[in-house]
Amino acid sequence: DTEVTQTPKHLVMGMTNKKSLKCEQHMGHRAMYWYKQKAKKPPELMFVYSYEKLSINESVPSRFSPECPNSSLLNLHLHALQPEDSALYLCASSQGQGGPYEQYFGPGTRLTVT
Amino acid sequence: GENVEQHPSTLSVQEGDSAVIKCTYSDSASNYFPWYKQELGKRPQLIIDIRSNVGEKKDQRIAVTLNKTAKHFSLHITETQPEDSAVYFCAASISGNDKIIFGKGTRLHILP
Repeated sequence: DTEVTQTPKHLVMGMTNKKSLKCEQHMGHRAMYWYKQKAKKPPELMFVYSYEKLSINESVPSRFSPECPNSSLLNLHLHALQPEDSALYLCASSQGQGGPYEQYFGPGTRLTVT
Repeated sequence: GENVEQHPSTLSVQEGDSAVIKCTYSDSASNYFPWYKQELGKRPQLIIDIRSNVGEKKDQRIAVTLNKTAKHFSLHITETQPEDSAVYFCAASISGNDKIIFGKGTRLHILP
């Protein structure tokens, strides 16, 4: 199984809502990533988890809260978002230590904040 | 930190012709250079990658070249087909670093 899955595919939320994005991989990868992608732009790194520990936080606002419950799962908790946070949120995974290695991307969650 | 520049931002080529996309990087410690293809509404997918211990790598119609001295690398697509239309991102990464730095992307249009 060489796939990264993400749910939901689409999400519309108000600025006062709390929601979560989910990501799962069963490739035995030990590094997992959250990216934000705006239209016509490259993916922008938000967080990296390595061996279930947060290793990189690219100065992301606290209204985004990542969580890695185990080596296969990655969540992104959303609270009090702004309209400018509307974007495609991509999860990715890679083998981890000893790399760098290819990153496998999930299909993304298209988030709209109203 | 690392910075990756990518040119051109848009490229139109006649079907059957070749396409070349060029990238430069700033950090001489970078040693892994992947290329991702992203079709409209889809996820980025790795199409080819190269490490700094080789100068060229080929996979059917796709090739990547790396010039470590000049700190630039290029993607070459030969005999282009309509399904090659997409956005292509180059990237660079350093050994032991989980982070990859993307270029701004090239929108490739294959004209019939």
